[in-house]
Amino acid sequence: AQSVTQPDIHITVSEGASLELRCNYSYGATPYLFWYVQSPGQGLQLLLKYFSGDTLVQGIKGFEAEFKRSQSSFNLRKPSVHWSDAAEYFCAVAPSSASKIIFGSGTRLSIRP
Amino acid sequence: DSGVTQTPKHLITATGQRVTLRCSPRSGDLSVYWYQQSLDQGLQFLIHYYNGEERAKGNILERFSAQQFPDLHSELNLSSLELGDSALYFCASSARDWGNQPQHFGDGTRLSIL
Repeated sequence: AQSVTQPDIHITVSEGASLELRCNYSYGATPYLFWYVQSPGQGLQLLLKYFSGDTLVQGIKGFEAEFKRSQSSFNLRKPSVHWSDAAEYFCAVAPSSASKIIFGSGTRLSIRP
Repeated sequence: DSGVTQTPKHLITATGQRVTLRCSPRSGDLSVYWYQQSLDQGLQFLIHYYNGEERAKGNILERFSAQQFPDLHSELNLSSLELGDSALYFCASSARDWGNQPQHFGDGTRLSIL
């Protein structure tokens, strides 16, 4: 069965430090991969997506993610975090030909001043 | 502002009751998706409509139903409500059918069952 695992429930980093949020998926073929961010009291906002091609994808707000087929991973990175990046981050996977999307359990990011 | 409008923002009701959640998609978007977000279940995909037709079902209970109207707005109907139905319900829209279309989320309806 398809699944998405975000092993870190909560991460705290200092402002200005680098960030990496982990995401592993289980799926037979290469799925469509997404990262979304949810600020408190708001809906989800798409940060970036991977469908094919270059395995390093750039997103909004200075985020990037790298698809590694051999590791079934799609980790999210940012070189220098800002206090406004504090939020919940969700990795998601969808088969290329269907409507169903599966979200990971989310990683809550806190920023230390 | 994603352009997706959900009403009401908050809803408080009792067990056994029925409620209707409404979603207006972003202008020009034909697809509407419904999700349920709760502490114990996380974010769960419920159902997807495209241009008025049901396209996919996720973990949607039989007590729940949805439809998309000719003007493309959608409603999610929840009946025989139970305490466990308390959650945040999100609607999202995309331009066309699923696949390579990013989804734009509304701010959700918070449903509290007393």
